[in-house]
Amino acid sequence: QSALTQPPSASGSPGQSVTISCTGTGSDVGSYNHVSWYQQHPGKAPKLIIYDVNKRPSGVPDRFSGSKSGNTASLTVSGLQAEDEADYYCNSYAGSNTVVFGGGTKLTVL
Amino acid sequence: QVQLQESGPGLVKPSETLSLTCTVSGGSISSSNYYWGWIRQPPGKGLEWIGTIYYSGSTYYNPSLKSRVTISVDTSKNHFSLKLRSVTAADTAVYYCARLGAWGSAGDWGQGTLVTVSS
Repeated sequence: QSALTQPPSASGSPGQSVTISCTGTGSDVGSYNHVSWYQQHPGKAPKLIIYDVNKRPSGVPDRFSGSKSGNTASLTVSGLQAEDEADYYCNSYAGSNTVVFGGGTKLTVL
Repeated sequence: QVQLQESGPGLVKPSETLSLTCTVSGGSISSSNYYWGWIRQPPGKGLEWIGTIYYSGSTYYNPSLKSRVTISVDTSKNHFSLKLRSVTAADTAVYYCARLGAWGSAGDWGQGTLVTVSS
């Protein structure tokens, strides 16, 4: 069970869109439509923002959207705002009730 | 709104056993809709899934930690626990407990507790 691969960093200016990728294998991301995304601000617990590839929990702005193609899932943040600056993590169901996380991406709002 | 709270020693000696408890309030740990898990985050690093338990006691562990981990549940106290044996400095991390859906999405988290492994 290897960690999912995310770019270490991403950036964008206020109002722009940014996309963060999450690459796994045919044993996790590629096999299940159960990819989640989390936002983590410094010193805080992660917060679920996307589950099952593209579903948003109640209260999460629709600026956050998810998609998947093959072994790669993506999180897009549209209309970037200063408060979107945070670390973002993906995770995927990996079969047999196991879960794997990505290494995380630090999003900077320029 | 369910709330989770981790508790346990913040300092553990090398080779000893790390023990943490997660107390759940505002909801029943016996709900058939959820699983309960432990996730950790070493300082400055990413998240790592440790393992998950169902209220029935069924457990699922990260293969890389499986030989050292035990997760248990006490439905009468509405809490679940983590034991990690033979710890080293590499086990120093913020440990989170979380409520997970059937497919691994963690919708509710505790605030996290820092456990340092040091003599």
